[in-house]
Amino acid sequence: KNQVEQSPQSLIILEGKNCTLQCNYTVSPFSNLRWYKQDTGRGPVSLTIMTFSENTKSNGRYTATLDADTKQSSLHITASQLSDSASYICVVSLGTGFQKLVFGTGTRLLVSP
Amino acid sequence: KAGVTQTPRYLIKTRGQQVTLSCSPISGHRSVSWYQQTPGQGLQFLFEYFSETQRNKGNFPGRFSGRQFSNSRSEMNVSTLELGDSALYLCASSDTGGVGEQFFGPGTRLTVL
Repeated sequence: KNQVEQSPQSLIILEGKNCTLQCNYTVSPFSNLRWYKQDTGRGPVSLTIMTFSENTKSNGRYTATLDADTKQSSLHITASQLSDSASYICVVSLGTGFQKLVFGTGTRLLVSP
Repeated sequence: KAGVTQTPRYLIKTRGQQVTLSCSPISGHRSVSWYQQTPGQGLQFLFEYFSETQRNKGNFPGRFSGRQFSNSRSEMNVSTLELGDSALYLCASSDTGGVGEQFFGPGTRLTVL
């Protein structure tokens, strides 16, 4: 069964600290992997999209890595800010077409002052 | 460019009623996808419309339907509402469809009593 599992489910860190969120998937075939940030009460916003041939991609203080062999991805947040408090969702695509997106249930991050 | 807009933002209905949600995509985008988001299930794909045609459909009962107009605006209808339909309904637009980047709206929070 195609699944995307994220860990931890929730995380609290102090402002200014770094953190890493994990995403393991069993999706096959694999087309691309996306990380989204979703603020409370808002729609998800795309952070990164990586194909199987890419192993790292950055967007400001966010850096995503992908290991297609072990089917693992991570999202590293550097020098966290209060505005980073949100849910982070990992999404894996089986191929073309949005019906082939498999969503993780997300990691809820709280950055504390 | 203006972002994706959804109306209404909040809605309260009772079991057995029907509801229509609206989504206006980013100007020029022809693909509109709809998703249901619940705490337990995360994001789940409902359907996608491209140039007024339903191109893809998720695993939801026939009570969930949609349509797209010539200006790319889309509506989603849920008939005979059930308690389990309470969720955040998100729409996303894309200029290419397929595996292109999606831009999400803020969502409509539906509560079924």
